Amino acid sequence: EAQVTQNPRYLITVTGKKLTVTCSQNMNHEYMSWYRQDPGLGLRQIYYSMNVEVTDKGDVPEGYKVSRKEKRNFPLILESPSPNQTSLYFCATSWAGGDIQYFGAGTRLSVL
Amino acid sequence: LAKTTQPISMDSYEGQEVNITCSHNNIATNDYITWYQQFPSQGPRFIIQGYKTKVTNEVASLFIPADRKSSTLSLPRVSLSDTAVYYCLVGDRTSGTYKYIFGTGTRLKVLA
Repeated sequence: EAQVTQNPRYLITVTGKKLTVTCSQNMNHEYMSWYRQDPGLGLRQIYYSMNVEVTDKGDVPEGYKVSRKEKRNFPLILESPSPNQTSLYFCATSWAGGDIQYFGAGTRLSVL
Repeated sequence: LAKTTQPISMDSYEGQEVNITCSHNNIATNDYITWYQQFPSQGPRFIIQGYKTKVTNEVASLFIPADRKSSTLSLPRVSLSDTAVYYCLVGDRTSGTYKYIFGTGTRLKVLA
């Protein structure tokens, strides 16, 4: 079954404590992306990756890092989380940057 | 980067046809128009994609006029389970990047 798996699904942390949200896909997709979703602001793209070792900034990259060492994994790293990063995060994948993206179930993050 | 504009919300009754229009005045020649559906606490799900004229699948129809500056998602005979947020997406391929702007979406509420 085609899957985009995010972990954890829920996370509560404190300001400044580094965290990683993992994303894994089993569809052999080249393109992977991270979005955050906040009330009234819709989905905003954080970072994306066209392939292994190729990443680029989306619209709201500040405070985030990503890496793409393997095709199937695209972790999102918050080196020093702050309360304004409290949000619902989605990972998405597609073939070669195509517009038809497959989304994970989401990670709800609260930074206290 | 093509930006999309949609109505914030719409109400409809069960059994009616619902049309949601999206404006994308800056759409580029290579851009496709893609629509997604999102239920609360879930990731967006692909509904339909088109380039011009009309596209129909088992879920919806997509109408795109010749100038491609707007598109209309048509949901025939909606039911309560169609209550969701609908996003129109236009990708940016002309700049060589693969950034996506989802916008704030249209919140559709179907009433009994």
